[in-house]
Amino acid sequence: DIVVTQSPVSLPVTPGEPASISCRSSQSLLFSNGYTYLSWYLQKPGQSPQLLIYLASYRASGVPDRFSGSGSGTDFTLAISRVETEDVGVYFCIQTLQTPWTFGQGTKLEIK
Amino acid sequence: EVQVVQSGAEVKKPGATVKISCKASGYTFTGFNIHWVRQAPGKGLEWVGYIDPEDGERVYAEKFQGRVTIIADSSRDIAHMELTSLTSDDTAVYYCAAEGTTASGALDVWGQGTTVTVSS
Repeated sequence: DIVVTQSPVSLPVTPGEPASISCRSSQSLLFSNGYTYLSWYLQKPGQSPQLLIYLASYRASGVPDRFSGSGSGTDFTLAISRVETEDVGVYFCIQTLQTPWTFGQGTKLEIK
Repeated sequence: EVQVVQSGAEVKKPGATVKISCKASGYTFTGFNIHWVRQAPGKGLEWVGYIDPEDGERVYAEKFQGRVTIIADSSRDIAHMELTSLTSDDTAVYYCAAEGTTASGALDVWGQGTTVTVSS
């Protein structure tokens, strides 16, 4: 199975400041079609997860442009350019290259 | 509106079986895989398996092999997940999610979650 390691576990951020979260996979998530199968999600308190970024760097429909995804191979980053209070929750990544799909452990973003 | 709506909360005794449903609407049900994911209290998310509603192909996580069955009824646009021989470790919120309706290789439509409590 592909192991996905996410950091940090907790991320206190002042509103208006940037934030970043890392995911690393135990093997490359690049598929032969040229796309990289890593996606990012936010689970707000009491809600279901919602998709933010897919194929490592494509922003999902309706996601604010302050969210961006980058990286390749085994190292990936979710960046928030200016954190807003509505961004609180648990962020996690999923590798979808091969089954079983595996998840990062989650990062809890809180407002300072 | 594109959505998947799950059945309600379940309380089961150890050794019992639970069956959860996931009703899709607003998109072509047979065009996109349905995945099941669970989240135990205080723990991270765990992939259970998926089904291709078009041809019924299913893949399960090894951990659940022999205990889980995922089926899709394309006449009603509903997917079901059945888990047998329940133990307290199966207490969790179970989510169904559609893959790739607008975002390739990702879970872009999530259900509201179904809480399953296993307790004697």
